Amino acid sequence: RKEVEQDPGPFNVPEGATVAFNCTYSNSASQSFFWYRQDCRKEPKLLMSVYSSGNEDGRFTAQLNRASQYISLLIRDSKLSDSATYLCVVTFSGGYNKLIFGAGTRLAVHP
Amino acid sequence: DAGVIQSPRHEVTEMGQEVTLRCKPISGHNSLFWYRQTMMRGLELLIYFNNNVPIDDSGMPEDRFSAKMPNASFSTLKIQPSEPRDSAVYFCASSPRQGQSTDTQYFGPGTRLTVL
Repeated sequence: RKEVEQDPGPFNVPEGATVAFNCTYSNSASQSFFWYRQDCRKEPKLLMSVYSSGNEDGRFTAQLNRASQYISLLIRDSKLSDSATYLCVVTFSGGYNKLIFGAGTRLAVHP
Repeated sequence: DAGVIQSPRHEVTEMGQEVTLRCKPISGHNSLFWYRQTMMRGLELLIYFNNNVPIDDSGMPEDRFSAKMPNASFSTLKIQPSEPRDSAVYFCASSPRQGQSTDTQYFGPGTRLTVL
């Protein structure tokens, strides 16, 4: 079983749509959780951290359910510029900031 | 501000040749990471340095791979001899502190390696 699992997509949605991505992780001792965004042929960049209480950044909302070992990302009012691959990331509880990446979910927003 | 700098951006080489990838982390960052990204395996950590010392090299595939960090502003990842299965994008990332779990890692633009 992979340590971090995501639906690979692609998700093809029209502008203005709401889209949700899900992610599960296997290590119950994982400490920190993130969503990274990776544009085609570019490096990954931090989109947002994910907290147990849930957090929002503009059109983006992230949720964490530790009991179910489940992370989600909701994007409202999708823009063409949101087209990218979204990587679910957890830190390994090995004493340092070791990031374990999911394979990513590809999003394509069309006019 | 300069981000993480990697060179070369693209490398095409023949099987059996030595390949050296270079990375300059963000000034003041204490932690440096080398990753490899492929379609099949996604993004994988190869090695982690803290204060120029290798802390975790469990992700280094085999003896053909080696990494060094001679000072706080420079690191290399070397593959000798290279094989076609080494073809991938290699990213270097740095983070500010002692590898705290909440620290953001900043990625360089990557080196796209093709081994023929």
